[in-house]
Amino acid sequence: EPEVTQTPSHQVTQMGQEVILRCVPISNHLYFYWYRQILGQKVEFLVSFYNNEISEKSEIFDDQFSVERPDGSNFTLKIRSTKLEDSAMYFCASSESRGQAFFGQGTRLTVV
Amino acid sequence: GIQVEQSPPDLILQEGANSTLRCNFSDSVNNLQWFHQNPWGQLINLFYIPSGTKQNGRLSATTVATERYSLLYISSSQTTDSGVYFCAEYLGGSQGNLIFGKGTKLSVKP
Repeated sequence: EPEVTQTPSHQVTQMGQEVILRCVPISNHLYFYWYRQILGQKVEFLVSFYNNEISEKSEIFDDQFSVERPDGSNFTLKIRSTKLEDSAMYFCASSESRGQAFFGQGTRLTVV
Repeated sequence: GIQVEQSPPDLILQEGANSTLRCNFSDSVNNLQWFHQNPWGQLINLFYIPSGTKQNGRLSATTVATERYSLLYISSSQTTDSGVYFCAEYLGGSQGNLIFGKGTKLSVKP
């Protein structure tokens, strides 16, 4: 069964450093998403991406965040200058249409 | 905006018991998904169920879109069912995102 793959599974970074979280969506999907879950809280939408551009973003997705689809298979989330409060689980998802979204297993980001 | 309310917030079961988790919506249901977050934090897709009933092994789900709720049934619970169960509703239209509820934390005791 096709699945969304995220790497790394866990990343520890120093405050102020840049991090790139990577995702390989399901191959025939056209819509891509990033979500965030701070420990103990609910999952929150960050951004959606379609046709090589951002189609929707939440107020959480400020100027320190960016997304990119550098080639035909990868979808990345970059955090330019990490803060302690960026520590969270980050989930990538993809969908064929605006229907069911399939989620990856997450990257746990710890900022120290 | 749309609100997603889940109940109960916490549930403790003895292994073998059955349970029902509920998800209520403040607006019409366009699409709906149920997820299980295991103790390692991974989100597992359970059901995509905008309406009707689906079953997968010991789990089943029913969405009554006209009454704006969905139910997740877990029968003969096992310790591996422990974790947090989230429902999420898709806004549709130009907004391609899911709004999650706060989840139901399930603990199944041996």
